[in-house]
Amino acid sequence: DTGVSQNPRHKITKRGQNVTFRCDPISEHNRLYWYRQTLGQGPEFLTYFQNEAQLEKSRLLSDRFSAERPKGSFSTLEIQRTEQGDSAMYLCASSPPWDRGSNEQFFGPGTRLTVL
Amino acid sequence: TQLLEQSPQFLSIQEGENLTVYCNSSSVFSSLQWYRQEPGEGPVLLVTVVTGGEVKKLKRLTFQFGDARKDSSLHITAAQPGDTGLYLCAGETLRFKLIFGTGTRLQVFP
Repeated sequence: DTGVSQNPRHKITKRGQNVTFRCDPISEHNRLYWYRQTLGQGPEFLTYFQNEAQLEKSRLLSDRFSAERPKGSFSTLEIQRTEQGDSAMYLCASSPPWDRGSNEQFFGPGTRLTVL
Repeated sequence: TQLLEQSPQFLSIQEGENLTVYCNSSSVFSSLQWYRQEPGEGPVLLVTVVTGGEVKKLKRLTFQFGDARKDSSLHITAAQPGDTGLYLCAGETLRFKLIFGTGTRLQVFP
């Protein structure tokens, strides 16, 4: 399977704990996105990487959230001191270099976070 | 703030009926994409429309992009239970990020 993969698929944690999610994009894709989706809503943009550079961050990404893509391949999203309001599905997407003529974003299956 | 409003929010219909989902915005997007999402999975791209007035067909699904590139519609002919899911429109911004609509949850009963 050469699609976008995310781990873990589900995470249950207690309020105040730190959690980290991982995203492995499609191998030739240099662009990577994180989105958050709450129940009954469409996904909301969180952040965007081109290679290892984080080019854009949403205001939704508070100081407790940090995302990295150190070698321009996989990415991690860490949430510190989790709150119940952080409960959501965290989606990762990747897309090929813009000069390939396609901006299609391929989504992973998501990590569902539940904060008790 | 760029927003995409979808209507209706929920739709329950019988197999064989036709339906239209609308996606409206006050903003212009470089392209608009339609996705379908199953429970517990990520969105899967159905189509991308780029040119104002563009119409694309995917079997029983017809997608239209408004002339001003601010709105779009999805029409399904003779809906089937397999069409059940969450339909999302998404506008692409200059920085390639997607602004998603509020979603339309479709249930097709046999």
